[in-house]
Amino acid sequence: GESVGLHLPTLSVQEGDNSIINCAYSNSASDYFIWYKQESGKGPQFIIDIRSNMDKRQGQRVTVLLNKTVKHLSLQIAATQPGDSAVYFCAVAIQGAQKLVFGQGTRLTINP
Amino acid sequence: SQTIHQWPATLVQPVGSPLSLECTVEGTSNPNLYWYRQAAGRGLQLLFYSVGIGQISSEVPQNLSASRPQDRQFILSSKKLLLSDSGFYLCAWSALVTDTQYFGPGTRLTVL
Repeated sequence: GESVGLHLPTLSVQEGDNSIINCAYSNSASDYFIWYKQESGKGPQFIIDIRSNMDKRQGQRVTVLLNKTVKHLSLQIAATQPGDSAVYFCAVAIQGAQKLVFGQGTRLTINP
Repeated sequence: SQTIHQWPATLVQPVGSPLSLECTVEGTSNPNLYWYRQAAGRGLQLLFYSVGIGQISSEVPQNLSASRPQDRQFILSSKKLLLSDSGFYLCAWSALVTDTQYFGPGTRLTVL
């Protein structure tokens, strides 16, 4: 599930490698999922989204995978670049609810 | 296209002083509006959201209040700031309550 206010987990990868960032959710009624990227000192920026009627969606260098059976969401970033260093948040919308619920975030560091 | 503005970008205030942060959205009508706070190295904490003029929902009881005097204007206020009010304040908008939220650039508030 999502926990707001906890310290962020971290992930370090080498430049050029692929990164996988994971998110777990708890409510089976969740039907819309979003990934955000937040660079230092800036507001979160929309990356990619997916609805519950899909299990995979691709963008430019990014892929989101949704496994509704185990309530798991992942963001794959291909050929990571220094500019990919940021905090990544997943957000989940529960059908009928009035707001998104944000995950705690993962700090991705790209090593040269 | 839609844009969201926040001001000021940074603010340093003494304990006990009042606060007013402003958020405006351009290029859309009747947006849903949100205020979040983010402590250093932590996730997003939803403070308030609004689905229409004069309609405010509070998520966390605290030293802050919100108002929506116009369709595309959202204001975060406090009568007396506390040290614990320091943080990065983010405004966001969405077309639907469970749709993608788009964030502003944020306001860095330091209470001394």
